[in-house]
Amino acid sequence: GAVVSQHPSWVICKSGTSVKIECRSLDFQATTMFWYRQFPKQSLMLMATSNEGSKATYEQGVEKDKFLINHASLTLSTLTVTSAHPEDSSFYICSARDWGGVVETQYFGPGTRLLVL
Amino acid sequence: QQQVKQSPQSLIVQKGGIPIINCAYENTAFDYFPWYQQFPGKGPALLIAIRPDVSEKKEGRFTISFNKSAKQFSLHIMDSQPGDSATYFCAARGPNFGNEKLTFGTGTRLTIIP
Repeated sequence: GAVVSQHPSWVICKSGTSVKIECRSLDFQATTMFWYRQFPKQSLMLMATSNEGSKATYEQGVEKDKFLINHASLTLSTLTVTSAHPEDSSFYICSARDWGGVVETQYFGPGTRLLVL
Repeated sequence: QQQVKQSPQSLIVQKGGIPIINCAYENTAFDYFPWYQQFPGKGPALLIAIRPDVSEKKEGRFTISFNKSAKQFSLHIMDSQPGDSATYFCAARGPNFGNEKLTFGTGTRLTIIP
């Protein structure tokens, strides 16, 4: 299957700083990428849908000014957690949709563990 | 309408047994039903997916059974191995026009004991 990478895999930062997470589709072009957040032993919570070249669509309750999403190319989307606080500590996972072939398939990255001290 | 209900929450099966995980949905517009496998600290990996025009799909040891009239689908793992121990998520998605987000179930933590 297609490969989605994320960088960094884990990050520890001080409260009040900003953190940028990159998501790349390595062997396909992704016009649509998704950002999820996952708490321990819970399901994935969609934060926003990102379309290349346009503004992201945020889910209800997700602060767009706090979680900045940029999808500048067909292979790269970034999530910036601005002025991070301990409650932002979580596992962030990106996903990209591959439109190759007949059926579109959504592939996930390996996730980024964020710990805000 | 957008919920996907998944059960059981956790499951312990002996090696070689056939764990079965069930999901039910309400939205009849859903037309794509994938299953994802997630190991601790990793992102979900697509396991197998089905569309409602077929009642069963097999890929290796994994089988999806789909009951359109009951709005239910399930994952069966044949000859289960300890390496299959993971959390499994079912999901559903509508057609591309305006309803294309994946809706996830709550997950099933599967443990295969030797």
